[in-house]
Amino acid sequence: DTAVSQTPKYLVTQMGNDKSIKCEQNLGHDTMYWYKQDSKKFLKIMFSYNNKELIINETVPNRFSPKSPDKAHLNLHINSLELGDSAVYFCASSRQIGGGMLETQYFGPGTRLLVL
Amino acid sequence: DAKTTQPPSMDCAEGRAANLPCNHSTISGNEYVYWYRQIHSQGPQYIIHGLKNNETNEMASLIITEDRKSSTLILPHATLRDTAVYYCIAYSGNTPLVFGKGTRLSVIA
Repeated sequence: DTAVSQTPKYLVTQMGNDKSIKCEQNLGHDTMYWYKQDSKKFLKIMFSYNNKELIINETVPNRFSPKSPDKAHLNLHINSLELGDSAVYFCASSRQIGGGMLETQYFGPGTRLLVL
Repeated sequence: DAKTTQPPSMDCAEGRAANLPCNHSTISGNEYVYWYRQIHSQGPQYIIHGLKNNETNEMASLIITEDRKSSTLILPHATLRDTAVYYCIAYSGNTPLVFGKGTRLSVIA
């Protein structure tokens, strides 16, 4: 019954590996997001997808590639993991962003990534 | 979206009201005041939002000054489970949320 779910909850991996984090929402929302929370606890937007289309791409290395197979899923694939990628990654969703509509964002529980 | 300013930390006795202030002196007319909180190791949780009028829901009350330059989130009877970081965000809805440092509220038994 979880509205926004993420898998895995914890991910420990070696530098240089490629890994994916999955996100699913069952709220019928059109827009999904990935946020990164670093060790200093700042939450920063990385990507936003609206109806499977990328609408926001902040300054994020090319090693990060989001993929949205359908509007209920937004996965994050990370190539060649680096130590600095260690963080908590949060997925979120809302009804359609922009267009003069004010929509509340709902967050998943987070994926804790540790790169060794 | 306008920047907000919050105290870095506050304490509150269990059972008492917790009043969390937020300054947003540059807020524009189409920006709402949103409050989220993040309990340790969890994702941010929506609490309440408002534009001009005071708002109340099952979690909290939001008091916005008449000039909209500041607001206060009120948790009427704080419990230990309300210990969290509380984020005040001026939000127009046209972009994703922009989180600041928030206020770390510690509810003490």
